[in-house]
Amino acid sequence: QVQLQQWGAGLLKPSETLSLTCGVYNGTFSGYYWSWIRQPPGKGLEWIGEINHSGSTNYNPSLKSRVTISVDASKNQFSLKLNSVTAADAAVYYCARGGYDSSGYHKYWGQGALVTVSA
Amino acid sequence: DIQMTQSPSSLSASVGERVTITCRASQGISTQLAWYQQKPGKVPKLLIYTASTLHLGVPSRFSGSGSGTDFTLTISSLQPEDVATYYCQEYNSAPQTFGQGTKVEI
Repeated sequence: QVQLQQWGAGLLKPSETLSLTCGVYNGTFSGYYWSWIRQPPGKGLEWIGEINHSGSTNYNPSLKSRVTISVDASKNQFSLKLNSVTAADAAVYYCARGGYDSSGYHKYWGQGALVTVSA
Repeated sequence: DIQMTQSPSSLSASVGERVTITCRASQGISTQLAWYQQKPGKVPKLLIYTASTLHLGVPSRFSGSGSGTDFTLTISSLQPEDVATYYCQEYNSAPQTFGQGTKVEI
């Protein structure tokens, strides 16, 4: 059973950089796309972006200027950085596995990480 | 970018009742559509992919249909454990998008 475990700082000040990492266990890392998705409190799901094992990325245009997704295939990990955060970036952030060789649906999800932005 | 319009935004139904949720894409996406169930405080769970394929372990009372721009999720006989918010997601091409969600109550 594929497991995704995510970690990173949960409390940020405005203008700081959000940094989260997701580790993939018990499954194939290569070939799949790996996504970051967020959910503000009481709101719906928003796709942030994705990366594959070789580093090919796609981003949500609404966040593209502030987002960097990177991969360390040797460790079966991928990471999210979102710079210049504001209160609007407060959300639960999820990592998830996408499709094989393309964007795809999300069968496996991380446990979620609550990120709070407060001065 | 493709926009996904989900309706209704919320509904209340009785146990045993048939429930239908619709999702409309702003352009054709073939059958590149998934449905998720999210209970309060929990991680979303995949229910259906490629518009109509039931994910392993999902009860058979859930079904999906549609192609192109119009899709439906049907719960044939609503159960108390189905209280949740349901989301559609198109993955025809990046950026993928989610519907705004439908909250199902009893």
